[in-house]
Amino acid sequence: EVQLVESGGGLVKPGGSLRLSCAGAGFIFSNAWMNWVRQAPGKGLEWVGRIKSKPDGETLDYAAFVKGRFSISREDSKNTVYLQMNSLKTEDTGLYYCSTGIDLDSWGQGTLVTVTS
Amino acid sequence: QSALTQPASVSGSPGQSITISCTGTSSDVGSYNRVSWYQQHPGKAPNLMIYEVNKRPSGVSNRFSGSKSANTASLTISGLQAEDEADYYCCSHAGGSTLYVFGSGTRVTVL
Repeated sequence: EVQLVESGGGLVKPGGSLRLSCAGAGFIFSNAWMNWVRQAPGKGLEWVGRIKSKPDGETLDYAAFVKGRFSISREDSKNTVYLQMNSLKTEDTGLYYCSTGIDLDSWGQGTLVTVTS
Repeated sequence: QSALTQPASVSGSPGQSITISCTGTSSDVGSYNRVSWYQQHPGKAPNLMIYEVNKRPSGVSNRFSGSKSANTASLTISGLQAEDEADYYCCSHAGGSTLYVFGSGTRVTVL
């Protein structure tokens, strides 16, 4: 059974930084393309970005709104993908999920990021 | 990239069928067969119900079906059950830097 566990969320001031982690189990993590998707409180889903597997070049893709503020990386030896978020804004507040594959087929339970002064 | 357009709410009685539409553009829904649908119960993570327009992951009931015509995709739930009450989001692959665009979400209510 695929398991994804996000961590690293918390309270941060505007302009601050946070690094989220997502640990995977129950599948061959090194072959998986990993996505980050977020959901603002009471709002819909919004794709943040993706990192492909190492065999597929670890290609990175980001949503337009990221604009260089966020970066995704992976550490296959730890079955973990990261989302480094810098220059955070209040509108970045929300639940951040990691998800696997090209069809976003499995999801973690999310980690909450709150950006407030 | 704008969100795909879904009706805010759809309702039906147990046993009935309902259809949720998802309207995009020729740059997303109209160009790709990578349209998926997610079910999200309150306080829970999304769950993939349909991928590649009309394919069901293992374990998803065959009461859920998907289709697409031009720039509009649709999710049909037949034999509506109380457990189907949830939010539903469509998602399409899109051109440009934003690879995936989600729909605005539809709240399904079982009367």
